[in-house]
Amino acid sequence: DQQVKQNSPSLSVQEGRISILNCDYTNSMFDYFLWYKKYPAEGPTFLISISSIKDKNEDGRFTVFLNKSAKHLSLHIVPSQPGDSAVYFCAASVSGSARQLTFGSGTQLTVLP
Amino acid sequence: DSGVTQTPKHLITATGQRVTLRCSPRSGDLSVYWYQQSLDQGLQFLIQYYNGEERAKGNILERFSAQQFPDLHSELNLSSLELGDSALYFCASQPTRSNTGELFFGEGSRLTVL
Repeated sequence: DQQVKQNSPSLSVQEGRISILNCDYTNSMFDYFLWYKKYPAEGPTFLISISSIKDKNEDGRFTVFLNKSAKHLSLHIVPSQPGDSAVYFCAASVSGSARQLTFGSGTQLTVLP
Repeated sequence: DSGVTQTPKHLITATGQRVTLRCSPRSGDLSVYWYQQSLDQGLQFLIQYYNGEERAKGNILERFSAQQFPDLHSELNLSSLELGDSALYFCASQPTRSNTGELFFGEGSRLTVL
């Protein structure tokens, strides 16, 4: 049972335009959501996060939106840059003593110059 | 640099063999997680240790085992290897007072089973 789903394996966007990466989840107990970025031959690195008590969090060019009723979150990158080309993983966690992350399968973003 | 160190970076071995992957967490982090990423797959949680004790188990095969030592480094042991075990294995550590679950990942160990 995949509790965190990223239904788009890949996305191509023109440089300067907006990239929108989507993520759906099924477990209503998730209360914290994170986005990780991964370049080839490197480990995933933390990008941005959002608590379930918020519906938006912004950090520079990156904004994450959370729609709890739809169990959906999205990552907006604007403007997109070629250096943003990477695999983006959505992850979620439940509060508790072992706050482990459940990851989606990732979306390969390619930003075309 | 995340501060998490994994060795070896690459490993090629044959079916039926056994390998050990090693991880040193960030200084001060007590939690170590192991994840597996197979080709075109997401990150599958294998197992978590906290201060030397197993805290949570995910989709870890019985042929795999792990431990965390008193100096907090961790080892993932993979035995009776099969072709399907070829994957990237990531170790991650978590800040002790994390309220979010944020993890810091190493660069991974790429295992190829021939």
